[in-house]
Amino acid sequence: QVQLVQSGAEVKKPGASVKVSCKASGYTFTSYGISWVRQAPGQGLEWMGWISAYNGNTNYAQKLQGRVTMTTDTSTSTAYMELRSLRSDDTAVYYCARVYMATVVTPAHFDYWGQGTLVTVSS
Amino acid sequence: SYVLTQPPSVSVAPGKTARITCGGNNIGSKSVHWYQQKPGQAPVLVIYYDSDRPSGIPERFSGSNSGNTATLTISRVEAGDEADYYCQVWDSSSDHNVFGGGTKLTVL
Repeated sequence: QVQLVQSGAEVKKPGASVKVSCKASGYTFTSYGISWVRQAPGQGLEWMGWISAYNGNTNYAQKLQGRVTMTTDTSTSTAYMELRSLRSDDTAVYYCARVYMATVVTPAHFDYWGQGTLVTVSS
Repeated sequence: SYVLTQPPSVSVAPGKTARITCGGNNIGSKSVHWYQQKPGQAPVLVIYYDSDRPSGIPERFSGSNSGNTATLTISRVEAGDEADYYCQVWDSSSDHNVFGGGTKLTVL
């Protein structure tokens, strides 16, 4: 069965970086994309970007450009999301989700999700 | 950028029908996907490509999309359907995914 297992909770100071991992199993990793979605406390879902596990192409949300990097390691079927220059408003639960591809280059919906990783930014 | 508008809350009595709307400019030309999120849990896909249901999702969940409004319909609502619901589209003009603000469904 498809599973996405994320790394554990993190506490970081403002200005630091965090790297969250998402290990996939139960499917051919390179046949799908991985998207990252975050949710601040009591707020809605915010799309952060996605990466094609097939060719490594990325697409990031405008507001995070320059601070976020998404990568994959196809040898271990693991995706990573690094967020730099952390601020207090980056405190959120971060989710990875498998992206069902409408075409080779066009993502559609998110059919499986990781359990979420709480990142707390506090001095 | 493309904006999706959902009502913050919808209330319905058990056994009745709940309709949650998602408004967007000419949204009928896009594919709309819906997610259910219960407190403390990750979102779950309940409708994709406007009206398709993933395996394991009850037939009580259905979707439609036309003009400027997409709708998630939940028939014969049960207490267990109480959750936040989010719509989502891929905006090809910006190459970005967009989520609606979410709707809290309360079962009275």
